Amino acid sequence: GAVVSQHPSRVICKSGTSVKIECRSLDFQATTMFWYRQFPKQSLMLMATSNEGSKATYEQGVEKDKFLINHASLTLSTLTVTSAHPEDSSFYICSASGHEDEKLFFGSGTQLSVL
Amino acid sequence: GDSVTQMEGPVTLSEEAFLTINCTYTATGYPSLFWYVQYPGEGLQLLLKATKADDKGSNKGFEATYRKETTSFHLEKGSVQVSDSAVYFCALRDWTALIFGKGTTLSVSS
Repeated sequence: GAVVSQHPSRVICKSGTSVKIECRSLDFQATTMFWYRQFPKQSLMLMATSNEGSKATYEQGVEKDKFLINHASLTLSTLTVTSAHPEDSSFYICSASGHEDEKLFFGSGTQLSVL
Repeated sequence: GDSVTQMEGPVTLSEEAFLTINCTYTATGYPSLFWYVQYPGEGLQLLLKATKADDKGSNKGFEATYRKETTSFHLEKGSVQVSDSAVYFCALRDWTALIFGKGTTLSVSS
């Protein structure tokens, strides 16, 4: 089946630094990618939706200047957490869909810990 | 807005026990409903889905029926195995992105 690769799986950084998370579709063209965040014992919350070549659409309450999303190609989307703070510590998961609208494939997630 | 509520975990069962994980939803439209599973150290995988009322999704011995009258999509399995230990997420999809429940951790012991 289709595979989505997310990297890194775990990152620890100092407060104030920026962290980039990559999400790649390995065997299909991802026209749309979604970024989710999950706090402990909480739901996966949709942060933003990105379509290749256009600006991401952010959900209410998500700071677009803090969570920069780039979807420059049909196989790669990146999420950059800028000037990270401890409250940004969370589990981030990407998902991607191709032309078959119903099928979504997920990355394995990135656990971000900000000290 | 749309939302999904699923039962709190963790759920701890012995092998071959019957499993039910409750899931109810709120949606303005006619969503598709899904169960995803996340095994330890792995990404989310689609377990089963149903796209309209009264549809039954099934896979690997798991079943769930789309009940519009009770807005529910409960996950069931008649005889669980140790290898079923994972986190299970109920989700709906109305337009594009998925909306998830909080997840239910299932632990099965031999």
